[in-house]
Amino acid sequence: ETGVTQSPTHLIKTRGQQVTLRCSSQSGHNTVSWYQQALGQGPQFIFQYYREEENGRGNFPPRFSGLQFPNYSSELNVNALELDDSALYLCASSLGSGVNTGELFFGEGSRLTVL
Amino acid sequence: AQSVTQLDSHVSVSEGTPVLLRCNYSSSYSPSLFWYVQHPNKGLQLLLKYTSAATLVKGINGFEAEFKKSETSFHLTKPSAHMSDAAEYFCVVSDQPRGSYIPTFGRGTSLIVHP
Repeated sequence: ETGVTQSPTHLIKTRGQQVTLRCSSQSGHNTVSWYQQALGQGPQFIFQYYREEENGRGNFPPRFSGLQFPNYSSELNVNALELDDSALYLCASSLGSGVNTGELFFGEGSRLTVL
Repeated sequence: AQSVTQLDSHVSVSEGTPVLLRCNYSSSYSPSLFWYVQHPNKGLQLLLKYTSAATLVKGINGFEAEFKKSETSFHLTKPSAHMSDAAEYFCVVSDQPRGSYIPTFGRGTSLIVHP
């Protein structure tokens, strides 16, 4: 079975730009969640998608948005980039949702630098 | 609101000696608790999870954790450290207030293993 893959692995943007990060979930998984990990910090939950619908959201502004596609892959979009958005963005896939969310399988992340 | 505190940012042990990584949590509900490990430049991997079954949870690679409700703790232990255990460890609490799923990660504990 294939694992979770994320693209791109690294990218550099400037303030005010927009970025799209992509995630392919592990085969058979129907749930995707996204996390922001700043340097030296633990991951912070952005949101979770279950069967193409947002199922939970952390404390992030609306300029962070997402999509889940029928094949359960996902995108994270960030508009109007700010310097503090520089971080490693992690995607995780799993089976089930909410308190029934099974083990999270993480990708290796997309490192975003905002200049 | 839920929260998680990892009491040590760094723990240093010698190979073959016991490991203790401390985690305290706060939750208004019946939480699920997890420990994840992150090796350099890798995605996170689940070590073990507690979901209201047995309070002593055994995980992979010889790790285990005990859920102590009275102390609101979920400390991670291993009897004998191996060089390959050197990594960043994250304690995670998740509950589902009002039907939304929100996991909260601790800031992480860096485990250093000396030969």
